[in-house]
Amino acid sequence: GQQVMQIPQYQHVQEGEDFTTYCNSSTTLSNIQWYKQRPGGHPVFLIQLVKSGEVKKQKRLTFQFGEAKKNSSLHITATQTTDVGTYFCAGPSFGNEKLTFGTGTRLTIIP
Amino acid sequence: DAGVTQSPTHLIKTRGQQVTLRCSPISGHKSVSWYQQVLGQGPQFIFQYYEKEERGRGNFPDRFSARQFPNYSSELNVNALLLGDSALYLCASSLQGLLAGGPYNEQFFGPGTRLTVL
Repeated sequence: GQQVMQIPQYQHVQEGEDFTTYCNSSTTLSNIQWYKQRPGGHPVFLIQLVKSGEVKKQKRLTFQFGEAKKNSSLHITATQTTDVGTYFCAGPSFGNEKLTFGTGTRLTIIP
Repeated sequence: DAGVTQSPTHLIKTRGQQVTLRCSPISGHKSVSWYQQVLGQGPQFIFQYYEKEERGRGNFPDRFSARQFPNYSSELNVNALLLGDSALYLCASSLQGLLAGGPYNEQFFGPGTRLTVL
C-alpha cells in the first residue's frame, strides 16, 4: 500500500534558526496537504498543493510540491516558539479517496 | 460557526466490548472522515463518507464500521475491542471528498475521542 515517510522524525532548533521537513510518498499524489498538530491537540490544516512543482508561501512558511508529485517539503524561516508541534504531510493517491498521513516531524524550539 | 464536535471526549472500555463514537461536522460540510491516531504516530485513515455513502476505507478489520446520517453527522463503531484499539479517534469534515483537488479539500479536525481499552 501507499506509504508516506517524513524526515527527520525529530528536530530541535534554537529559536531563530530555520527548519525543514521532507515528505516522500511511494506513489504519485493527486494533491498534498500539510497539517500542524500541537502537543495534546488535533491536526490543523496549513495548506494544500495541487500542481506539479507548486510553491506556496505563508509568512515564514514555504511549501513545495515536487515535479513528480511524489515529494514535498515545508521550510520555516526564523523559527519561533509558536512553531512547536508535529508537522504532517498527507495525500491521496490518484483514484483513491484514502488520505494517507506521513510519519510526521516533531519540532521543538530551544529558547 | 461551531467547529467539528466529537463525543465522548474520553472513554474507557474493556476487551471484547463494543464502542460507538460520534461526530458532528461543520454546518454545510457533507464529507466526514475517521482516523485513528496512536501516540507518537500520524493519523491512520479508517473511513470517509460523502453524502451518506462510504467513499474510502482504510486497512482496518471488519470490527470497524461507520455510517453517516441524513444530517451528515457520523458514528464510528468498533466491536470486540482489543488492547491495540486504544488510541485517539479523530473525525474530520470537509466540504467535498478528497479527490476534488480544489480549495475545499481542507480537513477540519475535531478534538478527538480518547479511547482506552483495558
